[in-house]
Amino acid sequence: SQTIHQWPATLVQPVGSPLSLECTVEGTSNPNLYWYRQAAGRGLQLLFYSVGIGQISSEVPQNLSASRPQDRQFILSSKKLLLSDSGFYLCAWMRGTPYNEQFFGPGTRLTVL
Amino acid sequence: AQSVSQHNHHVILSEAASLELGCNYSYGGTVNLFWYVQYPGQHLQLLLKYFSGDPLVKGIKGFEAEFIKSKFSFNLRKPSVQWSDTAEYFCAVQEGASKIIFGSGTRLSIRP
Repeated sequence: SQTIHQWPATLVQPVGSPLSLECTVEGTSNPNLYWYRQAAGRGLQLLFYSVGIGQISSEVPQNLSASRPQDRQFILSSKKLLLSDSGFYLCAWMRGTPYNEQFFGPGTRLTVL
Repeated sequence: AQSVSQHNHHVILSEAASLELGCNYSYGGTVNLFWYVQYPGQHLQLLLKYFSGDPLVKGIKGFEAEFIKSKFSFNLRKPSVQWSDTAEYFCAVQEGASKIIFGSGTRLSIRP
């Protein structure tokens, strides 16, 4: 069966510090991978998605970036965090056609102080 | 760009009441549509989905949704809610092969 891991679960960082959030998927190959940010009242904001190694689509211009160094690994990064980067970050993978169902990880709660 | 609107931010109902949550999307092409649910303390999970065919789709736990192409809508319904339906509900639209965007969510509170 497939599982999706995210770490860390919680993170408190000062403004201006770097960020690296990691997501890994087990039990599937060549998944589509996604980073979302969930904020109260704003739903899930799609940040990045990837259809393969090294292939990243960016949806929201901001100081975040994403990388996919391996098939089942998706990393969210920032060189300098802003207060507005605080939020709950969710990674997801998608089971392909004909299912097209997304499965979500446990999330990372990021607080920027 | 595609957008998804959920106009009901917080809905409060009594048990056994009927439920309808609105979802509208902006994309004019062929779309795949989803409803996800997030119960307190749990991960998001798929409730139901529409790809093609019968516009009335049935999901888990007695939920159903109707795709109305002319109204760009995919409203979620349940004839009689239970306290256990307390959760946040998200509508999502798939644009193309991979891009999936979500609405802002509707928080549903059920009074016992």
